[in-house]
Parts: sequence; structure tokens; C-alpha cells
Amino acid sequence: AQSVTQPDIHITVSEGASLELRCNYSYGATPYLFWYVQSPGQGLQLLLKYFSGDTLVQGIKGFEAEFKRSQSSFNLRKPSVHWSDAAEYFCAVGFTGGGNKLTFGTGTQLKVEL
Amino acid sequence: DAGVIQSPRHEVTEMGQEVTLRCKPISGHNSLFWYRQTMMRGLELLIYFNNNVPIDDSGMPEDRFSAKMPNASFSTLKIQPSEPRDSAVYFCASRAGLVNEKLFFGSGTQLSVL
Repeated sequence: AQSVTQPDIHITVSEGASLELRCNYSYGATPYLFWYVQSPGQGLQLLLKYFSGDTLVQGIKGFEAEFKRSQSSFNLRKPSVHWSDAAEYFCAVGFTGGGNKLTFGTGTQLKVEL
Repeated sequence: DAGVIQSPRHEVTEMGQEVTLRCKPISGHNSLFWYRQTMMRGLELLIYFNNNVPIDDSGMPEDRFSAKMPNASFSTLKIQPSEPRDSAVYFCASRAGLVNEKLFFGSGTQLSVL
């Protein structure tokens, strides 16, 4: 069965510092990969997605992610974090033939120190 | 478009009572998903529909949970009887197309079973 691992439950960074959130998936086929962000009391919002082509994808709010097949990873990055980026971030994976459903990781809570 | 609309926003009930959560997907979306979010288990897929037909309900925890989608613009998730361990945030999400498309989430229903 497909699975997603986000090894970091909590991350704290200083405003202006760079950020990398880790995501690993398991499945044999080429995945569709997503990063979603959840602000307190809100539903999830899509940041970016990858399903083919260039392995470095750009998203909203200055975020980017890189698909590395050899490492089964899809890490999220941002060069300079803003206080408003404090939220919970979810990695998700889907596969054709996987029943059209997404499997979400357990999330990484990002705290930004001013 | 108003986005995915869920009601109620908050529900407090007593153990043993029936709870019905409602969802209106975005017009034109052909897939609808119900997720449950808890601190312990993260975001879990309960059930999803494609063209109003339930495709995968393997995530529904027990027979106390049921979901319906009588038409393309409305879905319900019912818990009968409710138990304190059902307390969670329940999200509805909808999507146009297949697994590589963006999921749009509602704001969720915060359920508390006393």
C-alpha cells in the first residue's frame, strides 16, 4: 500500500532563514506528489504538485519542491521564511491505478520565530 | 464559486446521539472525499465518491459511520451512535478529474462528543 512519511513533527525556524520540510513515499510506480498547507481552523490549501516533467516544481507563496526518484523523496523548500508561513504542512501522494485517492502524511508543524 | 461548503462548523453532542455532517462540493467536481483529522492519527481518508458512487469506504472506522451522496451537489456523513472517540475535525474535499488534480477542502466540522 502507498504510504507517506514526514519524519519531522515540529520544526522551528527564524524569520528570514531557509526552510526544508522532508517527505518520503513508498510505492513502486511513478507517483503524483503534492504539498498542502493548513492554517489554524482552516482546510488544506494546495501549495504545489508534481506528476511529470521537470523534477523541481514551483508553487505559491515562494515555495518549491524537488522530486528525487532515487531517494523516494519530495522535500519542500523556501529560501526565506516569513512569519505568515507558520502553519502545518502536509505531503500527499497518489498513483494512477491507486484508486484515485490521495494518502497524506502526518504533517509537519512549522513555527517561525521573529 | 464559494468553494466546498461544510456544515455545521462546530457540533457538540452527547455520546449515543446521531450526528450528521453535510458537504456541498464545488459545482462541476466529480469526486468527493471525506477525511477525519485527529492529533493522534493525522488526516485519514474515510470514504470517497466518484460521480456520486462510493468507490472506496475502507477507511470508514465501523458500522456506526455511513456516508451518502444522493446527487452531485450534496453529501452527508452520519455517525450513529456517536462516541467520544469520534471527536475530531471532519473535512470534505472535492476535485475535478483524476488523482493528479488539485483537491479543494472545506473548512471542516469540529465534532465534540461528550
